Amino acid sequence: EIVLTQSPTTMAASPGEKVTLTCRASSSVSYMHWYQQRSGTSPKLWIYETSKLASGVPNRFSGSGSGTSYSLTINSMETEDAATYYCQQGSSYPWTFGGGTKLELK
Amino acid sequence: EVQLVESGGGLVQPGRSLKLSCVASGFTFSNYEMNWIRQAPGKGLEWVAYISSGSSYIYYAETMKGRFTISRDNAKNTLYLQMTSLRSEDTALYYCARVITTTNWFAYWGQGTLVTVSS
Repeated sequence: EIVLTQSPTTMAASPGEKVTLTCRASSSVSYMHWYQQRSGTSPKLWIYETSKLASGVPNRFSGSGSGTSYSLTINSMETEDAATYYCQQGSSYPWTFGGGTKLELK
Repeated sequence: EVQLVESGGGLVQPGRSLKLSCVASGFTFSNYEMNWIRQAPGKGLEWVAYISSGSSYIYYAETMKGRFTISRDNAKNTLYLQMTSLRSEDTALYYCARVITTTNWFAYWGQGTLVTVSS
């Protein structure tokens, strides 16, 4: 099973601040996908195939990485970005998720 | 608009069974692979099971193998999860999700149905 480790577990950012969330895989994966989950709601696809933004995702978000190291970056933090972000790999069964990064507004 | 609506959750005693349903609309259900994913209270996401569009291929997470059965009825646009021998650690919000199998990402999620296993 491929284990995904996200860091940090929790962080706070001020409006306008640049934010980088990381996801490390225990084995190499072809792509990483990311989901945003706001409190009390279902997860939403946010970034797929490492760097492609899902429909409606603001372009202040970006994704990058390869092999075992991936990241999600917010160019300039906004209030609405406060949420938990999960990475997910679909390269091999069982498909797995990272433990999540809770991003709070400072 | 794609909609996935889960139902069937509730309070169940350890060792008992429960069957979840997910009704799909807004897309041609029979063309898409589907999954169940769960989230324990205050915890992260855990993939549970996958079923291909025609039910030919089915995969489970190891901890669910032998206890959970995923199935679908394409005529009714409905996905199912039969859960048996339930344990307290199965307590979670269960989501159905449509997967895009080019690189296996979950494009759409339902709102979830809560399963609580407790005596």
